[in-house]
Amino acid sequence: SQELEQSPQSLIVQEGKNLTINCTSSKTLYGLYWYKQKYGEGLIFLMMLQKGGEEKSHEKITAKLDEKKQQSSLHITASQPSHAGIYLCGADGMSQTSGSRLTFGEGTQLTVNP
Amino acid sequence: KAGVTQTPRYLIKTRGQQVTLSCSPISGHRSVSWYQQTPGQGLQFLFEYFSETQRNKGNFPGRFSGRQFSNSRSEMNVSTLELGDSALYLCASSFTTGNSPLHFGNGTRLTVT
Repeated sequence: SQELEQSPQSLIVQEGKNLTINCTSSKTLYGLYWYKQKYGEGLIFLMMLQKGGEEKSHEKITAKLDEKKQQSSLHITASQPSHAGIYLCGADGMSQTSGSRLTFGEGTQLTVNP
Repeated sequence: KAGVTQTPRYLIKTRGQQVTLSCSPISGHRSVSWYQQTPGQGLQFLFEYFSETQRNKGNFPGRFSGRQFSNSRSEMNVSTLELGDSALYLCASSFTTGNSPLHFGNGTRLTVT
């Protein structure tokens, strides 16, 4: 089973609309990271959350980690075509098999129509 | 500060060949991680190096290997290439091995024919 579940898998919105992407874990998240990826390129680091209830914002993007530290959300306000891409959440110390630094969700494909 | 640099950007190889990919981390970063990304499997962890020592290894066959040099630069090698090795290989560096974000390069797109 996937250790980090992202929803939705894909999202198509009209420019100017708000949207939310969720990342859920069955385990406590000790470090939660949000990344954005353009197809075929590397991941761009957006934000890191560590404390329960923590919220961070950068320009029109806000990320939150819930009090129980098992769910994070990424909210984009007044979306623009430049926000289009794949959004991935990653967490520290999730994998019991490989000791991976970060384990990632499957990603959410965001399309913003002008 | 220069970002993570991966070379080459694109590579086409034939089954059975071997390939070496290179990664230069951000200056001052001592940890380098490698990931394989495919449409079907997503981002899969390959291995992590810190101060020239492999700290963790993912669930990949022994054909996949890596190393890190004293200047923190890293290479990964895949021997006896298979069609299924076609993927985007991403290198990421970080200042420490935990509680710090990974910073990714733009990857090497490997196509095996």
